[in-house]
Amino acid sequence: QVQLVESGGGLVKPGGSLRLSCAASGFTFSDYYMSWIRQAPGKGLEWVSYISSSSSNTNYADSVKGRFTISRDNAKNSLYLQMNSLRAEDTAVYYCARVGSGYCFDYWGQGILVTVSS
Amino acid sequence: QSVLTQPPSVSGAPGQRVTISCTGSSSNIGAGYDVHWYQQLPGTAPKLLIYGNSNRPSGVPDRFSGSKSGTSASLAITGLQAEDEADYYCQSYDSSLGGSRVFGGGTKLTVL
Repeated sequence: QVQLVESGGGLVKPGGSLRLSCAASGFTFSDYYMSWIRQAPGKGLEWVSYISSSSSNTNYADSVKGRFTISRDNAKNSLYLQMNSLRAEDTAVYYCARVGSGYCFDYWGQGILVTVSS
Repeated sequence: QSVLTQPPSVSGAPGQRVTISCTGSSSNIGAGYDVHWYQQLPGTAPKLLIYGNSNRPSGVPDRFSGSKSGTSASLAITGLQAEDEADYYCQSYDSSLGGSRVFGGGTKLTVL
């Protein structure tokens, strides 16, 4: 069965950096686009970024462009999100998701909390 | 302010039918892009409920159905059950935002 497990979250000061990881299993990771989506406390879902299966194509929400970098290692079945220049408004649960038919998000990880606070 | 507009809340009694609307514009739903729906039970990750406007993934009951017309889409839930109480989100693609995937603001369904 498809499993996505995020790690690397925690408390970081404003201006700091954090790297999230997502370990994938149960499917051929290299065949799928992958994405990060976040949810601020008590708020709705916000798409953050996606990466194509071969890493040749990436895209970001305007709110994180220039600060976040998505990457993947198909040999390790892993997805990453490097987050720099973090702000209080980046505080959220971050979900790793597989991109499915019609660019839906067909499988989601359990989420990892990132808190940006001094 | 979300690009896709959903009502903040809807409610219904067990056994009833409820619908949740998702209103977009000519750069997203109206441009023909697919609409997908997600269910988020309290304290859990979202789960895909409807993809490609009206398709149900394996395991999703046929009480859930989706439709799309013009610049709007709808999620219908028939035979409402207590376990359907959750947040529901629509999602599509918006060509005016540099290829961004966009979500609705979410709708809280309360089963009375």
